[in-house]
Amino acid sequence: GQNIDQPTEMTATEGAIVQINCTYQTSGFNGLFWYQQHAGEAPTFLSYNVLDGLEEKGRFSSFLSRSKGYSYLLLKELQMKDSASYLCAFMDSNYQLIWGAGTKLIIKP
Amino acid sequence: GAVVSQHPSWVICKSGTSVKIECRSLDFQATTMFWYRQFPKQSLMLMATSNEGSKATYEQGVEKDKFLINHASLTLSTLTVTSAHPEDSSFYICSASVWDSHTEAFFGQGTRLTVV
Repeated sequence: GQNIDQPTEMTATEGAIVQINCTYQTSGFNGLFWYQQHAGEAPTFLSYNVLDGLEEKGRFSSFLSRSKGYSYLLLKELQMKDSASYLCAFMDSNYQLIWGAGTKLIIKP
Repeated sequence: GAVVSQHPSWVICKSGTSVKIECRSLDFQATTMFWYRQFPKQSLMLMATSNEGSKATYEQGVEKDKFLINHASLTLSTLTVTSAHPEDSSFYICSASVWDSHTEAFFGQGTRLTVV
């Protein structure tokens, strides 16, 4: 079967670093995505990993381990505007996106 | 990145009426568009995949006669919620892709539908 799991909510302090984990199970895999979604808005693309390793993009980095079915999104130098839900999703062998329920990130001053 | 425009952003309609939501790719030709529904605090649920000039492929459990999808051109897809009921109230989001996959898919702004 297929499933994907991420924490429901996390809290972090402005200026700090936070890591949001995502684990998944699937027989076919064509990459893992991270999206940011502010309340009432559509998701915006953050990253796409299809090979193992760390991809860095400014303050955001994403890591993938295919053998472990594990990914994380690392956010550095947190800003208040980073308060949002972060969705991970993997693409299965049929090129369909399977979405996690999202992690609500709360940033405190 | 590419721009996908979705209209309207929000709509309130009476139960029993129909509502049309438009999804346009503004600066690229989208061979494939995807329609999602998202309930509060839940993940995105794919409703259907539409390819230009052909019938949409609906996910299991989605009523094709209730959620009419038309993809008449490479830049426009529409979702019509027919005979809307309060349980259809949700956040509807489209995304567009230039390939028949979700890679490089760009999302519209979403439409908040409230049926009263």
